[in-house]
Amino acid sequence: DTGVSQDPRHKITKRGQNVTFRCDPISEHNRLYWYRQTLGQGPEFLTYFQNEAQLEKSRLLSDRFSAERPKGSFSTLEIQRTEQGDSAMYLCASSTNMNTEAFFGQGTRLTVV
Amino acid sequence: KQEVTQIPAALSVPEGENLVLNCSFTDSAIYNLQWFRQDPGKGLTSLLLIQSSQREQTSGRLNASLDKSSGRSTLYIAASQPGDSATYLCAVKGTSGSRLTFGEGTQLTVNP
Repeated sequence: DTGVSQDPRHKITKRGQNVTFRCDPISEHNRLYWYRQTLGQGPEFLTYFQNEAQLEKSRLLSDRFSAERPKGSFSTLEIQRTEQGDSAMYLCASSTNMNTEAFFGQGTRLTVV
Repeated sequence: KQEVTQIPAALSVPEGENLVLNCSFTDSAIYNLQWFRQDPGKGLTSLLLIQSSQREQTSGRLNASLDKSSGRSTLYIAASQPGDSATYLCAVKGTSGSRLTFGEGTQLTVNP
């Protein structure tokens, strides 16, 4: 296992379209996180899963955003009716428990045109 | 609400210099603090994790310290190299939730 994997690496979409991103965490990690990062800023928390349960959501996660983690393995993040303000890097991270190191994937760069 | 600040925002040094990056946070109720490196257009690479009960961690030329009571951490880079050029981010995990709260980063340039 080589780490957290995200797909696609880049996505360009037209405003109003739906997009879906995938994250495969490190296999033994039961905690999975999604963050969003805009240019020149630090990442901002979106949501957190422990196994298949979504336990925390940020106010940044509007009703156009939905995340799932069926079976507690990979996760998907869907954005419906994309807006130009959704353009950002979407980062996924995983860890084994609350106190351990979080490992991040390479991110998915979304551009909404 | 936890707030994390990193100073300076950007730093340019000649190769070989020792340097210190600073991170401060407003709420000392934390589980741990983690330092990351980010290259342009890439994800985050974890450098060091310091638990709230620890004072410092070392990995190679990197040393991170934590003073939880004063809400401060420093990342010391010894004998800097051009390959160290990147943005360095610190993040804290609070005891009230699961999220990491990040600073805005310090953009480091090491000139040959």
